[in-house]
Amino acid sequence: AQSVTQLGSHVSVSEGALVLLRCNYSSSVPPYLFWYVQYPNQGLQLLLKYTTGATLVKGINGFEAEFKKSETSFHLTKPSAHMSDAAEYFCAVSGNNAGNMLTFGGGTRLMVKP
Amino acid sequence: DTAVSQTPKYLVTQMGNDKSIKCEQNLGHDTMYWYKQDSKKFLKIMFSYNNKELIINETVPNRFSPKSPDKAHLNLHINSLELGDSAVYFCASSPVVGGGGGYTFGSGTRLTVV
Repeated sequence: AQSVTQLGSHVSVSEGALVLLRCNYSSSVPPYLFWYVQYPNQGLQLLLKYTTGATLVKGINGFEAEFKKSETSFHLTKPSAHMSDAAEYFCAVSGNNAGNMLTFGGGTRLMVKP
Repeated sequence: DTAVSQTPKYLVTQMGNDKSIKCEQNLGHDTMYWYKQDSKKFLKIMFSYNNKELIINETVPNRFSPKSPDKAHLNLHINSLELGDSAVYFCASSPVVGGGGGYTFGSGTRLTVV
């Protein structure tokens, strides 16, 4: 079984500041990890994913995340926030074997102040 | 050309009515899903179909009945709608069963029961 905890339901940063959205997971098997973004009144768009290999994963829009097995974490970062980054962000986990469905965290709303 | 398309985008209906939401994907994926997003943005899987066969049926009231006429379509029929059914319903698809391939989401159907 898998579960995801996203620390902080709301995060506010200034434009140009570092973005850090936290995600910790629990999985009984090696995990696949994902970050999705949801803009208002839209569906979820995949930002990046970790399956195997390099633990630092780069995604779209300048985001990246690092898989840290020892900390069971997959935090999302972006060096410099842009106003257009304001959205809801979801971390998700699945097991690495067939049949393991995607389980989502509760989401973090990112607000960017001018 | 939309990869995963849902109709309708908005649905307002009275308690007790029966309604359907349609979903189609043109990605050639084998697996499709229905997720429910509640007012707190929490995403929970409802059903999963692989090549027209039901593989996941979470604890969803039996008023909800999915139907998959072919692997490109997964429709959701809801009988005797209740106020608590108000939510955004997302359809998604993936190339393989489970999370490894990542999911592609539709833009959602906002259901409001009055």
